[in-house]
Amino acid sequence: AQSVAQPEDQVNVAEGNPLTVKCTYSVSGNPYLFWYVQYPNRGLQFLLKYITGDNLVKGSYGFEAEFNKSQTSFHLKKPSALVSDSALYFCAVRDTGGFKTIFGAGTRLFVKA
Amino acid sequence: DVKVTQSSRYLVKRTGEKVFLECVQDMDHENMFWYRQDPGLGLRLIYFSYDVKMKEKGDIPEGYSVSREKKERFSLILESASTNQTSMYLCASSLPGRAGSTEAFFGQGTRLTVV
Repeated sequence: AQSVAQPEDQVNVAEGNPLTVKCTYSVSGNPYLFWYVQYPNRGLQFLLKYITGDNLVKGSYGFEAEFNKSQTSFHLKKPSALVSDSALYFCAVRDTGGFKTIFGAGTRLFVKA
Repeated sequence: DVKVTQSSRYLVKRTGEKVFLECVQDMDHENMFWYRQDPGLGLRLIYFSYDVKMKEKGDIPEGYSVSREKKERFSLILESASTNQTSMYLCASSLPGRAGSTEAFFGQGTRLTVV
């Protein structure tokens, strides 16, 4: 069965510092991996995805994520955090050939000025 | 830009009422989904549809049903609302294909309170 874990409920970082939001997954086959962001009182917005190829994926707003097959991880990163990055971040996984996407519980990111 | 529109941002309903949540997308997507979002639980899939008149149960279908009479519209129905169905409901759509490599586009959400 598919599953995804976001081990941190909350991440705090100072503006200008690098940020990492962690995600690990479990699927039976090859994974499709996604990151979404949710700003207050809004729906989710797509940030980036890993389908195949280069393990480092670049996405919107300067975010990137690294796919690590041996560690079954897909951590979200940004070199320099902005206060406006403060939001709820969701990692999601789908196995190839499936319709269903499984979401993690979410990690709340606080960026302090 | 893809637009997924949910008919209400906020709803308050009474226990036992039949509740309809409507979702419309304008990008001709085959796949549509209904999730509920609860703190600490992330998003949980209620139902999805990969074609008109087709529906599949997700992980938590009990107490819900869906209708997809037209490609652009996917309705979630709470047959008899209960207080444990108080939640944020999110509709999403995506491009077709079982391959599933495409991202989902979400509506703004409906916060439903059942009293």
